[in-house]
Amino acid sequence: EVQLVESGGDLVQPGRSLRLSCANSGFSFDDYAMHWVRQAPGKGLEWVAGISWNSETVGYAASVKGRFTISRDNGKNSLYLEMNRLRVEDTALYYCAKSRKYHFASPIDAWGQGTPVTVSS
Amino acid sequence: DIQMTQSPSSLSASVGDTVTITCRASQGINHYLAWFQQKPGKAPKSLIYAASTLYSGVPSKFSGSGSGTDYTLTISNLQPEDFATYFCQQYDSYPFTFGPGTKVDIK
Repeated sequence: EVQLVESGGDLVQPGRSLRLSCANSGFSFDDYAMHWVRQAPGKGLEWVAGISWNSETVGYAASVKGRFTISRDNGKNSLYLEMNRLRVEDTALYYCAKSRKYHFASPIDAWGQGTPVTVSS
Repeated sequence: DIQMTQSPSSLSASVGDTVTITCRASQGINHYLAWFQQKPGKAPKSLIYAASTLYSGVPSKFSGSGSGTDYTLTISNLQPEDFATYFCQQYDSYPFTFGPGTKVDIK
């Protein structure tokens, strides 16, 4: 069974940093691209960042580019999101999501349950 | 960046009805279009990819179609478990973008 378990969400002050992790099991992690998607309270889904199976291709939403960094450790079956210079508008539930294939242009086929990030003074 | 719009933003329907949701991209996306269902307090569920291919386990009451910039999700014989919010997403190019969602509720 495919399982994606996010962790690291917290309450942080604006301008601070936070690192999210996603532990993956039930599939060959290094065969698939991965993504982070967020959902602000009462709002829709926003794709945040994606990374190919070998980390060669990464992409970011304009709203986080230059502040967030997606990375992965295939040896640890783990996906990460380093979030710097956090803003109040980054407050959201952050989902880890698995792609259907190895390359970036493949659809999301599985989701974690999310980890909450609150940015507030 | 590719912008995604959905219509309607919400609709009310009865059990047994058939509903259609439309998703439009600001430029052609080569069928790289996915649909997701989300119920309150739950993670999204992947329904369809490549505009019309259902994921394993998704009932055939869900169907997708379209090409170029215009795509549709049709849900037939609505049942209580189908009342949810539906999102489309393009994965043709980074940054991937979601539509704003369509909430389907009970009339």
